[in-house]
Amino acid sequence: SQQGEEDPQALSIQEGENATMNCSYKTSINNLQWYRQNSGRGLVHLILIRSNEREKHSGRLRVTLDTSKKSSSLLITASRAADTASYFCATDVYGQNFVFGPGTRLSVLP
Amino acid sequence: DTGVSQDPRHKITKRGQNVTFRCDPISEHNRLYWYRQTLGQGPEFLTYFQNEAQLEKSRLLSDRFSAERPKGSFSTLEIQRTEQGDSAMYLCASSRDYGYTFGSGTRLTVV
Repeated sequence: SQQGEEDPQALSIQEGENATMNCSYKTSINNLQWYRQNSGRGLVHLILIRSNEREKHSGRLRVTLDTSKKSSSLLITASRAADTASYFCATDVYGQNFVFGPGTRLSVLP
Repeated sequence: DTGVSQDPRHKITKRGQNVTFRCDPISEHNRLYWYRQTLGQGPEFLTYFQNEAQLEKSRLLSDRFSAERPKGSFSTLEIQRTEQGDSAMYLCASSRDYGYTFGSGTRLTVV
C-alpha cells in the first residue's frame, strides 16, 4: 500500500464552510507536503511542514503534523468554489523521493 | 514563462508505436523528476535526475521506458512499443531544495 493515504476520498461542502482532509503515513519522514490538482492539470505546491513542526499556516490553509500518530491534516477555511480540486499529501521519506497518496477530491458547492 | 514546461500536452498513439515527451524545468532547479498518474490516483514516481545524472529509477520504469537529461537541462522520456496500459498523464517536476514545481503534464492515450 502507499506511504501516504488521504481521508476522506471525496468531500462535498457548501461555499463558506471549512474543509478538513487527513493524511496518514507509515514510516518516519523528513517533511510532508500538500498539493492541489485541478482536473486534468499539474499539481500545485501548497505548503510544506517539516518533521519538527506541528502546525503551519498559509492564508486560508492550516496544516498540522502529528509524528507520533504519523498523520497530518489540511484545513481550508471559508472555502470557495475555486477550491474545488483534488488534494494530495506527499511524504519525503529519508533517502527516498516523494511518495503521494491517492488524494481527496474536494467539491465546494456554490 | 518561468514554470516547468511539458510538450506535448496531449499525445494519441497507436499501440506499438514509440513516443517521446519533453520537459523543460525551471532553469535554476538541479533536480528533475518524472511521475505517472492514472485517473483517480496520485502520482507514481518513475525516475529522478540530479543535474544530468539519473540517480533513481522506479520498478515501474520497464525496459521500454528510457529517460535522459543531457547537459542537466531539459529532459526527455521515451516509451518504446507503447501498450494500452501506458495510457496516463506523465508529469514532470523540478526542484532545488524543498517542494516540487510541476508542469501541466503530457496526457498519453494509446489506442
